[in-house]
Amino acid sequence: EAQVTQNPRYLITVTGKKLTVTCSQNMNHEYMSWYRQDPGLGLRQIYYSMNVEVTDKGDVPEGYKVSRKEKRNFPLILESPSPNQTSLYFCASSFTGGGYTFGSGTRLTVV
Amino acid sequence: GENVEQHPSTLSVQEGDSAVIKCTYSDSASNYFPWYKQELGKRPQLIIDIRSNVGEKKDQRIAVTLNKTAKHFSLHITETQPEDSAVYFCAITSNYQLIWGAGTKLIIKP
Repeated sequence: EAQVTQNPRYLITVTGKKLTVTCSQNMNHEYMSWYRQDPGLGLRQIYYSMNVEVTDKGDVPEGYKVSRKEKRNFPLILESPSPNQTSLYFCASSFTGGGYTFGSGTRLTVV
Repeated sequence: GENVEQHPSTLSVQEGDSAVIKCTYSDSASNYFPWYKQELGKRPQLIIDIRSNVGEKKDQRIAVTLNKTAKHFSLHITETQPEDSAVYFCAITSNYQLIWGAGTKLIIKP
């Protein structure tokens, strides 16, 4: 089944403790992206990647890192999480210029 | 940068009536216009899309119309049902990326 797999689905962590949210797609998509979604603010892009080893900042990159060592994986790294990073996170992938397939989301709470 | 304006932000319609959501954009190079539906707590899912060589596309109760000259496109839902209640997002392509509208919360009244 073609899909984007995010893990974990839910995560509660403490301020400053490094964490990684994984994202993997099995559709051979070139493009992958991370979004955060907060109430009333729609989808805001954090980082995106046009292909392996090519990543760029989105609208809200501060406090986040990404890597694209393989085509299928695009992990999101929070080196020192803070409470303002509490949010619902979505990974998405697509062929360049096409519609996105989204992962199921990761609900992160930083206390 | 490029942006997409989506209206209305909230739309309440009687079950069985039609709903229309409109998006306007500024990037004349955009050639792909998808619509996504997001139910509460779930992922956005593509419901219909249109490319710039087509003016209208239908899929059962859902249709999208595109006016490239005026730079706007609309989502039309006919015979609305309770399961249509969700947030709907439009998007356009710009420099190979999707630029998103702010979303429309559609409420179906019984």
